[in-house]
Amino acid sequence: GAVVSQHPSRVICKSGTSVKIECRSLDFQATTMFWYRQFPKQSLMLMATSNEGSKATYEQGVEKDKFLINHASLTLSTLTVTSAHPEDSSFYICSARRSGNPWETQYFGPGTRLLVL
Amino acid sequence: KQEVTQIPAALSVPEGENLVLNCSFTDSAIYNLQWFRQDPGKGLTSLLLIQSSQREQTSGRLNASLDKSSGRSTLYIAASQPGDSATYLCGQGGYQKVTFGIGTKLQVIP
Repeated sequence: GAVVSQHPSRVICKSGTSVKIECRSLDFQATTMFWYRQFPKQSLMLMATSNEGSKATYEQGVEKDKFLINHASLTLSTLTVTSAHPEDSSFYICSARRSGNPWETQYFGPGTRLLVL
Repeated sequence: KQEVTQIPAALSVPEGENLVLNCSFTDSAIYNLQWFRQDPGKGLTSLLLIQSSQREQTSGRLNASLDKSSGRSTLYIAASQPGDSATYLCGQGGYQKVTFGIGTKLQVIP
């Protein structure tokens, strides 16, 4: 159990367009979902935390109007990169946690590679 | 501040060799430790998850250990194969988030 999927796995878009990435927990309900970003040759960094039915909490330096997060159900969270620019090109990965317990294990999706032309 | 360090940054070994990848973390408040594999241009694949109450986990040719007192985890790969070539990441599960290392890039030479 504890499988997390992401869609799409890769996306290429033109500068100025918006891109939506989905994160789904396939065999469990996720009270909390997380979004991470990986810059080239750097470690994955947490962008934001979202709890089902409430607004996401963003890490310092992450623009909430740029990266819209919706966690409308216990199995789905979406990240929308609005008005994407080449500097937004990156690897985005989500994770999901069953409960609100901040110490509980996070299960990771495979990631989505975004390329903005 | 939580920090995770992986050594070496890159490793090249001949096929068949046993090898060890290292991960160290500064925050003793660890809930679990995960090892992942990332192929070039591809996504993450979870390899092993060790809960803080455990000392090791095994899956096939992979064995991961966790020593909370020293702040270290190791990933042991037995009888390495060219298909093992990838970047290996470790992630420390702590309060509310997972902190990752930059990874060790492994190349297994046929």
